[in-house]
Amino acid sequence: DAGVTQTPRHEVAEKGQTIILKCEPVSGHNDLFWYRQTKIQGLELLSYFRSKSLMEDGGAFKDRFKAEMLNSSFSTLKIQPTEPKDSAVYLCASSLQGTLYFGEGSRLIVV
Amino acid sequence: GQQVQQSPASLVLQEGENAELQCNFSSTATQLQWFYQSPGGSLVSLLSNPSGTKHTGRLTSTTVTKERRSSLHISSSQTTDSGTYLCAIDPGNMGYKLTFGTGTSLLVDP
Repeated sequence: DAGVTQTPRHEVAEKGQTIILKCEPVSGHNDLFWYRQTKIQGLELLSYFRSKSLMEDGGAFKDRFKAEMLNSSFSTLKIQPTEPKDSAVYLCASSLQGTLYFGEGSRLIVV
Repeated sequence: GQQVQQSPASLVLQEGENAELQCNFSSTATQLQWFYQSPGGSLVSLLSNPSGTKHTGRLTSTTVTKERRSSLHISSSQTTDSGTYLCAIDPGNMGYKLTFGTGTSLLVDP
């Protein structure tokens, strides 16, 4: 079985650009999560989908971050406009009944 | 909000020594998972242990729900155990949304 696939693996963006990160969850998993990981803050939840419905939109991340899940096998995270403080690793994870499976992550650097 | 505290922040061991990692959380948890992240790598779930004691390989986790704490014991550590160990809990009121601790960084020297 394929695990969680994330693209791109690395991205360098200029401040103000729009970035779209992509995630393909494990086939059959109902839950999909987007997390941001930095050394200072650790893992922060950005969005949570259950059966394609948005359950959590990340509170403080709402204004420039938008996650979508148009079908059960694909999700995107749009950051618009990007700021240098958005530099981090963005992780996508999926689960069926509790155990999370993470992708390799997308490392974003905003200059 | 939910707080998850892990200790120690970092740990250095000689190969063969045992490691004891701690996780304390601020409210009840219906889900508790331990994850491993290799340097520069992705997170892998090690085990799920919301209560009691669980073993897998050289890992033993003990969770005392009433005291809001969990431990992860690694026996006979190996250099390949080096990495970051993260504890995550879910209070159970929003599906399986996990809140993560900041992790324990483990280095096992040969």
